[in-house]
Amino acid sequence: DAGVIQSPRHEVTEMGQEVTLRCKPISGHNSLFWYRQTMMRGLELLIYFNNNVPIDDSGMPEDRFSAKMPNASFSTLKIQPSEPRDSAVYFCASSPASYGYTFGSGTRLTVV
Amino acid sequence: GDSVTQMEGPVTLSEEAFLTINCTYTATGYPSLFWYVQYPGEGLQLLLKATKADDKGSNKGFEATYRKETTSFHLEKGSVQVSDSAVYFCALSRQGGSEKLVFGKGTKLTVNP
Repeated sequence: DAGVIQSPRHEVTEMGQEVTLRCKPISGHNSLFWYRQTMMRGLELLIYFNNNVPIDDSGMPEDRFSAKMPNASFSTLKIQPSEPRDSAVYFCASSPASYGYTFGSGTRLTVV
Repeated sequence: GDSVTQMEGPVTLSEEAFLTINCTYTATGYPSLFWYVQYPGEGLQLLLKATKADDKGSNKGFEATYRKETTSFHLEKGSVQVSDSAVYFCALSRQGGSEKLVFGKGTKLTVNP
């Protein structure tokens, strides 16, 4: 089991550019979560999916953020246009129907 | 809404010292409770869990007991090691973890030799 796979591990981009973060959940897990981690705010849930359907996107900060899960094995989080305050570590996690998240290693995003 | 409050860090201990990291929660119903650990540069890993009152979760020498009367889930370890240095997060979930987790802000632990 390769775990939750996120790409890229690091992303440096200029303000105004589009950024796409990718996540491959564990096979058989039916829930997928996107979190953002910063020193100031800690871990914030952005959005989560259940069986590929968005269930709660109340944490998505602005319309600049969008997330998709076109199938059970892939999800993207897109920021367009990016801003310096979006700099953070973005984590994807997946969970089976019972308890237990598995987190990916995260994508460290720096917007300059 | 649901929330988790854990003690402010950082916490610095000497090797073999006793560790307690306090965690209290606010939630309706009977949430499941978790401790996660994050080592530098890595994602969070589940350390232990408890799904009902008076349950004790344990793993790698760490323990935490689900106390409904005090709405607490304090993390303890009798003798910490340098390798325990990490950030520890307390969290709750309404549905045992398949629904969203609500995290505390994390407590950074440093263990010195």
